[in-house]
Amino acid sequence: QSVLTQPPSVSAAPGQKVTISCSASSSKIGNNYISWYQQVPGTAPKLLIYENNRRPSGIPDRFSGSKSGTSATLGITGLQTGDEADYSCVIWDSSLSAVLFGGGTKLTVL
Amino acid sequence: EVQLVESGGGLVKPGGSLRLSCAGSGFTFSNAWMNWVRQAPGKGLEWVGRIKSKVNGGTIDYAAPVKGRFSISRDDSRNTVYLQMSNLKSEDIAVYYCATGDAASVGLDYWGQGTLVTVSS
Repeated sequence: QSVLTQPPSVSAAPGQKVTISCSASSSKIGNNYISWYQQVPGTAPKLLIYENNRRPSGIPDRFSGSKSGTSATLGITGLQTGDEADYSCVIWDSSLSAVLFGGGTKLTVL
Repeated sequence: EVQLVESGGGLVKPGGSLRLSCAGSGFTFSNAWMNWVRQAPGKGLEWVGRIKSKVNGGTIDYAAPVKGRFSISRDDSRNTVYLQMSNLKSEDIAVYYCATGDAASVGLDYWGQGTLVTVSS
């Protein structure tokens, strides 16, 4: 069981908005940055969000990140069928000197 | 264009060893922090370990499940990072990805296509 908790699945219709949560104890999230990754089945993960809310170049502004207290949220607006993928949150745990992945959330665009 | 190409995966017997390689191009490899991340069949992503650049001290950190069995090294002259795996177990069966970056800040920004490791007698 992952220290970073994500819902196993979420779904929404094309064009709609969806949010994916990532929660942990305050000792884990604290002042650490969260990043988010998208993995289309059969392909390598791709960085979507880093430093809680920053997008790498080439990532559309339909994707957004936020962090508040002991949780972080990935938001996706204007859903497209191509957004169907697994989404994972990641944090650096300085107490363990280790990178932690959330369990992943499968997004279905109905 | 940044490229990461893993190699070395395959079938190995329980208790055996295997060395994975990840060759990078299109960026200054010697400045990059290199990570290994794995994904067991049908499961989520799991960080394996990371080696910092030499200019940042070359520090290596490992996930608890692999500490003492896996070893990460780098050869900047060959633009290659290695994952030496020993005493392999069935729970090590996974696709192994290498990825650049610092998860604590800028994230794991570039990923290879992965290489499959199977542990079976």
